[in-house]
Amino acid sequence: DAMVIQNPRYQVTQFGKPVTLSCSQTLNHNVMYWYQQKSSQAPKLLFHYYDKDFNNEADTPDNFQSRRPNTSFCFLDIRSPGLGDAAMYLCATSRDASQETQYFGPGTRLLVL
Amino acid sequence: GESVGLHLPTLSVQEGDNSIINCAYSNSASDYFIWYKQESGKGPQFIIDIRSNMDKRQGQRVTVLLNKTVKHLSLQIAATQPGDSAVYFCAENRGAQKLVFGQGTRLTINP
Repeated sequence: DAMVIQNPRYQVTQFGKPVTLSCSQTLNHNVMYWYQQKSSQAPKLLFHYYDKDFNNEADTPDNFQSRRPNTSFCFLDIRSPGLGDAAMYLCATSRDASQETQYFGPGTRLLVL
Repeated sequence: GESVGLHLPTLSVQEGDNSIINCAYSNSASDYFIWYKQESGKGPQFIIDIRSNMDKRQGQRVTVLLNKTVKHLSLQIAATQPGDSAVYFCAENRGAQKLVFGQGTRLTINP
């Protein structure tokens, strides 16, 4: 089945130790997104790629970076995780531009010790 | 600022009853809306969507209603089942590949 896959499902890292979260998709969608979701809150968009074009949200901290080496894969890099970065990180994809449904992966829950 | 929000953070219904989850939006230019269901520890799951040229759309046990005059969106779930327990988010697609989520409503089903 076509789907959005996130690995790992749970990630534990140490304060200040760089961590990378992975997302892959078999939908062949042009757009890939990364969201941060904290407990009992709505997902918050960090950035997205439209094909190879990177689009950062104005309030996304510089500590968060992303890479999209090809259509299928997208990575979220947290350069120096702080305790406040503990959250669920959701990857989503959409086929193209506006009026397009976004399809979400299962998420990676990040714990910072 | 503009936002998409929900009237009630929690909703408790009896199993078998119908559920209605509401959402208000403030951007009158928005032309596409989505309802997502999110179960504990999982990613949001697409339920149903509606475009602004429609005022009603039906799926399996779910109906979305759109009232553009008062900028209101609702999700109706018929014959609510225990598996419907989740947090429900409305989301507004504002173009440029951006989705703005509402606050979320936690739906609890009583046996």
